[in-house]
Amino acid sequence: AQKITQTQPGMFVQEKEAVTLDCTYDTSDQSYGLFWYKQPSSGEMIFLIYQGSYDEQNATEGRYSLNFQKARKSANLVISASQLGDSAMYFCAMREGQDEIGSQGNLIFGKGTKLSVKP
Amino acid sequence: DGGITQSPKYLFRKEGQNVTLSCEQNLNHDAMYWYRQDPGQGLRLIYYSQIVNDFQKGDIAEGYSVSREKKESFPLTVTSAQKNPTAFYLCASSMQARGTGELFFGEGSRLTVL
Repeated sequence: AQKITQTQPGMFVQEKEAVTLDCTYDTSDQSYGLFWYKQPSSGEMIFLIYQGSYDEQNATEGRYSLNFQKARKSANLVISASQLGDSAMYFCAMREGQDEIGSQGNLIFGKGTKLSVKP
Repeated sequence: DGGITQSPKYLFRKEGQNVTLSCEQNLNHDAMYWYRQDPGQGLRLIYYSQIVNDFQKGDIAEGYSVSREKKESFPLTVTSAQKNPTAFYLCASSMQARGTGELFFGEGSRLTVL
């Protein structure tokens, strides 16, 4: 079973509007972390936002916010006031066993969502 | 500036040849990782290393080898045993192997087998 599921292969949004990119995850760990990365066409992975499993408040970073619904195991990314430069691939990722000794530390990635911002 | 440097950015290889991708970081991070990305796919873990002189296989280690002789360096060798090596390879590092720290990525190396 996939650990990270991103059900939207592609999304379109009008410039200046908000958009939500979906992410659901599957883990039996109590402690885990959720991450979102942006990958422009250049290929580099850019970290956007982090949410810990014990964080009670949704994470926010500028125009990015993470809609964390723990019971539903969902961690959707909300981008407000979209800009043309937001056009890119977006990946949701998870680190399991966040605080455990022996944690691998690697991130498990979803297949991504390609966001296109229209002028 | 601190960061992760991958080289070469583009690499062409004939079938049957080994090739080594370089990854150097000056962030003083303990943990380093290699991921592979295929078109339309997410990233899959090849190898990771939490400390010098130690590394572990990831999900798709077959046909690859690594070394970690220095904290700053984590080169990846794509061997002739790798049946489908054409892909985009990303190296990453993090402060430690657990905790809230995000992974920092290099700009990637695109390998094409002719």
